[in-house]
Amino acid sequence: GENVEQHPSTLSVQEGDSAVIKCTYSDSASNYFPWYKQELGKRPQLIIDIRSNVGEKKDQRIAVTLNKTAKHFSLHITETQPEDSAVYFCAASMNTDKLIFGTGTRLQVFP
Amino acid sequence: DGGITQSPKYLFRKEGQNVTLSCEQNLNHDAMYWYRQDPGQGLRLIYYSQIVNDFQKGDIAEGYSVSREKKESFPLTVTSAQKNPTAFYLCASTPRGIYGYTFGSGTRLTVV
Repeated sequence: GENVEQHPSTLSVQEGDSAVIKCTYSDSASNYFPWYKQELGKRPQLIIDIRSNVGEKKDQRIAVTLNKTAKHFSLHITETQPEDSAVYFCAASMNTDKLIFGTGTRLQVFP
Repeated sequence: DGGITQSPKYLFRKEGQNVTLSCEQNLNHDAMYWYRQDPGQGLRLIYYSQIVNDFQKGDIAEGYSVSREKKESFPLTVTSAQKNPTAFYLCASTPRGIYGYTFGSGTRLTVV
């Protein structure tokens, strides 16, 4: 079955800097890759997603890139702010099947 | 809770006791999922159901059981066979053929 690896497990950046989180997946049939943000004690919230027919997608300060050949995708956050501090999860699925999640990245943005 | 409700928010279980976590959605979603979240391990899939009266095991189904008698309900029972049940449990749902989950607010289960 699908396996998703996520790095780094923790990431600390200064406010205004960029943050990059990377994930790799094992099943070349996967074609949907969402990113979730989870604040402490709360439910995960979808922040951006990408499908395999697209190489890059951007939404304001957040962007996701996908390299199907290498089977990896990345989350890019520019101009980070303290409210970006949270745990971020990547995930992968084939079509609209179950999501398999990475192990999460704890992002801390220092003022 | 955005149309998907988990209860209770906190649950305490004694050793050897079965407990049931509730997940109800009024979104008319076909598929429902249960995940377990432990620190540093992300979300791991326990069980999922894509249609009423049918469900499949996820990666860590041992010690858990589910039922899907109604479209809107997908309860999870943590049995005494689950030796380390302390975790945060998340339920999610999605319409059939649609990408992306709606998550419930979670249940934190603690063994006492």
